[in-house]
Amino acid sequence: GESVGLHLPTLSVQEGDNSIINCAYSNSASDYFIWYKQESGKGPQFIIDIRSNMDKRQGQRVTVLLNKTVKHLSLQIAATQPGDSAVYFCAENRERGNEKLTFGTGTRLTIIP
Amino acid sequence: DAGVIQSPRHEVTEMGQEVTLRCKPISGHNSLFWYRQTMMRGLELLIYFNNNVPIDDSGMPEDRFSAKMPNASFSTLKIQPSEPRDSAVYFCASSSASGDEQFFGPGTRLTVL
Repeated sequence: GESVGLHLPTLSVQEGDNSIINCAYSNSASDYFIWYKQESGKGPQFIIDIRSNMDKRQGQRVTVLLNKTVKHLSLQIAATQPGDSAVYFCAENRERGNEKLTFGTGTRLTIIP
Repeated sequence: DAGVIQSPRHEVTEMGQEVTLRCKPISGHNSLFWYRQTMMRGLELLIYFNNNVPIDDSGMPEDRFSAKMPNASFSTLKIQPSEPRDSAVYFCASSSASGDEQFFGPGTRLTVL
């Protein structure tokens, strides 16, 4: 029979365009958020993080936005490249003093050449 | 820096057998994390250590799973006896300090027949 698994949202973007990946979190006490990128057959790779006392943080071609009012996190990737194709996970730290991260289900981003 | 090292990269075993997964964290890192990734449940934290001491093992599924960290440069995750539902990719990660990014290893793909 068919196995039931997590439904992985997908996003396809034309090479060179900007992409936005969204994530909703549930715990208003979460104070640290991270975006990870996972390529096929590899472990997750850190992209960018943000703490709850900030609402925006920029890196190289990436920007993370945090809206604590609606408990929403987004990752913007500018000028996408084929190497950006991967699954992107948001993760949150829900307990101060505990390093445990809770990961979202992920979004599969495909860059169309 | 070699990054987080995991062995073996692939393991195929039969139900009932003991499985031992190994991890060498990045030198100087004092936190080590074991994660499991499946299609059904996504990426889940099993246990993490700080300075070789288990801090949060709330994600360990059941008594068949055990983890040790005898020293700062080595950790094991053992499953005894293994069951088909343990089939997954197991990741080890390490971080240098509380609140810092976690660096993931390449993972061990475990298949229990």
